[in-house]
Amino acid sequence: IVMTQSPATLSVSPGERATLSCRASQGVGSNLAWYQQKPGQAPRLLIYGASTRATGIPDRFSGSGSGTDFTLTISSLQSEDFAVYYCQQCNNWPPCFGGGTKVEIK
Amino acid sequence: EVQLVESGGGLVKPGGSLRLSCAASGFIFSDYSMNWVRQVPGKGLEWVSSISSGSSYMYDADSVKGRFTISRDNAKNTLYLQMNSLRADDTAVYYCARDRVRGTMVANFDYWGQGTLVTVSS
Repeated sequence: IVMTQSPATLSVSPGERATLSCRASQGVGSNLAWYQQKPGQAPRLLIYGASTRATGIPDRFSGSGSGTDFTLTISSLQSEDFAVYYCQQCNNWPPCFGGGTKVEIK
Repeated sequence: EVQLVESGGGLVKPGGSLRLSCAASGFIFSDYSMNWVRQVPGKGLEWVSSISSGSSYMYDADSVKGRFTISRDNAKNTLYLQMNSLRADDTAVYYCARDRVRGTMVANFDYWGQGTLVTVSS
């Protein structure tokens, strides 16, 4: 399975909404996770099961989709949200990640 | 507090070997599947290997199959990655990561270590 994320870079102003896309080359059901990674840090799990927020994740982060098309939405970007975001399918072995979307300050 | 601390990275020549360790604390290590994920500096994430809680099941990426071996010692709360026949394209930060769901292998990674850098170069 190949995971494709778009866009590669997203320029957004603080307070605006960000919408990130992830597409799987074949259906993965709802077995899709999203991670956030800041420079010099390990990734952090944001969303699993396509739409369930992980422990401690603010509700401005939301995930949707099933099958092959998924979306991560950040409703109102905060300064700490500028980072790289990865999707990852866990429906089939091997689990695989998308190439990432960098969310940068506009 | 869940903590995962990797060690064992460093500089190694092509064809060489290295063993990474990941010391776990703050949770019942023997209840969880564990994983290795790597990242070439400046690039994306690549899953490497997974091992079930009791070591009955192990999975490896095709890129490392036959060269890397994942293992664990539940008595020592430690995960290992034995890396043999290292190549330049194995150069990466290696993270250990816990599986989110106790007792299964769902390959969602809810806790990560800080990573250890492996550099393969002559």
